[in-house]
Amino acid sequence: QKEVEQNSGPLSVPEGAIASLNCTYSDRGSQSFFWYRQYSGKSPELIMSIYSNGDKEDGRFTAQLNKASQYVSLLIRDSQPSDSATYLCAVFNNFNKFYFGSGTKLNVKP
Amino acid sequence: DVKVTQSSRYLVKRTGEKVFLECVQDMDHENMFWYRQDPGLGLRLIYFSYDVKMKEKGDIPEGYSVSREKKERFSLILESASTNQTSMYLCASSPPAYNQPQHFGDGTRLSIL
Repeated sequence: QKEVEQNSGPLSVPEGAIASLNCTYSDRGSQSFFWYRQYSGKSPELIMSIYSNGDKEDGRFTAQLNKASQYVSLLIRDSQPSDSATYLCAVFNNFNKFYFGSGTKLNVKP
Repeated sequence: DVKVTQSSRYLVKRTGEKVFLECVQDMDHENMFWYRQDPGLGLRLIYFSYDVKMKEKGDIPEGYSVSREKKERFSLILESASTNQTSMYLCASSPPAYNQPQHFGDGTRLSIL
């Protein structure tokens, strides 16, 4: 079992819709959770951090964390073609290890 | 803002050469990391360092070594480059606190011919 699992996609949504990206993790004691965006040929850039259960909003982005279900998600409202990228979920677990998921590719169609 | 600088964006080397990839960060971070990223395989950790002269093997250390003589600089060395080491190499840094994310450099696309 992988430490962090994501559906590889691609996830296709029309412009203006809500994109929902999901991630599960295996270590129940994980402490910190991050979402990165990676454009093709570029390096990952941090877009959201979340540390406690519930929702955290930043502009069009909302991160959701449910530690009981070991589930973290990223919602992108009013999706734009410029949001088309691969989104990586990252988890800092209870053993001081940082793990990345393999990413979900998002396509936003004009 | 955190700045992580990798010495080259693109590099072409020949099989058997010794290759050095350099990474410098300007935020006095304790932790530094080297990853490679290949299509379908995601980010794979090669080595990391949590202090000067300290290093730990990641998931795929074979064929690589690292050097950290100064806090801001972390070097990845391919001892004898092989074609299967053609990849995108990413350097990252972070403070030691558990709730802090890693910050990445722009990456080096390395081709071994």
